[in-house]
Order: sequence, then structure tokens, then C-alpha cells
Amino acid sequence: DSGVTQTPKHLITATGQRVTLRCSPRSGDLSVYWYQQSLDQGLQFLIQYYNGEERAKGNILERFSAQQFPDLHSELNLSSLELGDSALYFCASSVVLAGGRMLFGPGTRLTVL
Amino acid sequence: KNEVEQSPQNLTAQEGEFITINCSYSVGISALHWLQQHPGGGIVSLFMLSSGKKKHGRLIATINIQEKHSSLHITASHPRDSAVYICAPSIYGGSQGNLIFGKGTKLSVKP
Repeated sequence: DSGVTQTPKHLITATGQRVTLRCSPRSGDLSVYWYQQSLDQGLQFLIQYYNGEERAKGNILERFSAQQFPDLHSELNLSSLELGDSALYFCASSVVLAGGRMLFGPGTRLTVL
Repeated sequence: KNEVEQSPQNLTAQEGEFITINCSYSVGISALHWLQQHPGGGIVSLFMLSSGKKKHGRLIATINIQEKHSSLHITASHPRDSAVYICAPSIYGGSQGNLIFGKGTKLSVKP
């Protein structure tokens, strides 16, 4: 058990659809990070939330959005899906704003057909 | 030009060998992470370092900020070390989790 949980593990959907990926950080961790790993682009940082507030943005498309709720779980919303959005989406958490060693979730594998 | 370069891209070793993976970067950083990704896809953070050297078991990570270079060493390698190792610096001025990633080094350790 990694301490960071992500649901669902696998998601298959069609182009144009909208999906929500969920992440629950390790207990006590205030920062949540989202990353995308695709065959084309490799790993990319998408966005970070700290205690409910957006703290840093990376290569996140406008079609994507995220939020962190009062219980610290986070959701990544992907809309108007394209074939190129097929990827592994990882969530990671860390206890302080500055990070440190992060704990990664098992990832959600998204397939867009 | 990639901001993070790892070498080698692929590495095959015999069990027991000493392994070195190198990482060079071209941007200012506040820290550097070494990550391990197993064939199943899961990612484990091995080290975060901003200076000097860290050791955990058979793994050693070093960083030279002036030379913009980091190395990951594995002593007495074992087949269970077979994985992709990824160098991921944190951009200076950004949050620690705002990482840029190398393409990874695929390590295969043969018994």
C-alpha cells in the first residue's frame, strides 16, 4: 500500500468525452501533484495543489482542470478528450509545500479510442 | 535540446556489478529527484538532493550543482534493480514537485 490512492486504475473512453481522475494523498500530506506520462512526451508535470489552493502549473492543457477539496483529495478533470490524451496519469503527495521525497500513487491508465 | 540528459539510455549488467547512471541538466534547479519506475508502471522516489551525496542501502546519489550533474550509483546490483531510473530536477524558483524529467535509463540486471 503506497499511501497515495488513485481511482480508477484503468479508464477507457471515446474522443470528445470528459473524465475525472481521483487522488487521495497520504494521510497528513498537504501537497498534491499531477503528472502525465505518455509515449510521445514522457513524464510531464501538470499542476500542484497545496491545502486546497493551486500553487504551480506546468504543461496542463486548457481542456484539463484540477481541484483539491477540504479533505485534501484531488480530482483531475479532462474534457474534450483526444487520442493524444491517452497516457498514465500519476498523482503524488508530499507533506510540506517545498516537497521532499514524494510518494507516488499507482497511476490511472487512460485510453482514448 | 533537452533540458535533462541521461546516460546511458539502456544498460545491461550482470548481477553484482557496480552501476552508474548519469544526469546532466541545463537549467537552474533547487533540487534533483531520482525516481525508479518498475515494469508495472509504479514510480518510487529514491532520493531528493540539493547538494552533496545521499546513501540508502545499495543506492548512492550525488550532485554537483556547479557542474549541473548528478549520478546514481547502485552497488552489488541485483535482478530486482531492473527498472527505469529517471532523473527529475526541480526548477529553481518553482515548487519542489514542479519537475522536469529525463527520458530515463532502462536498467536490466541479469542473474
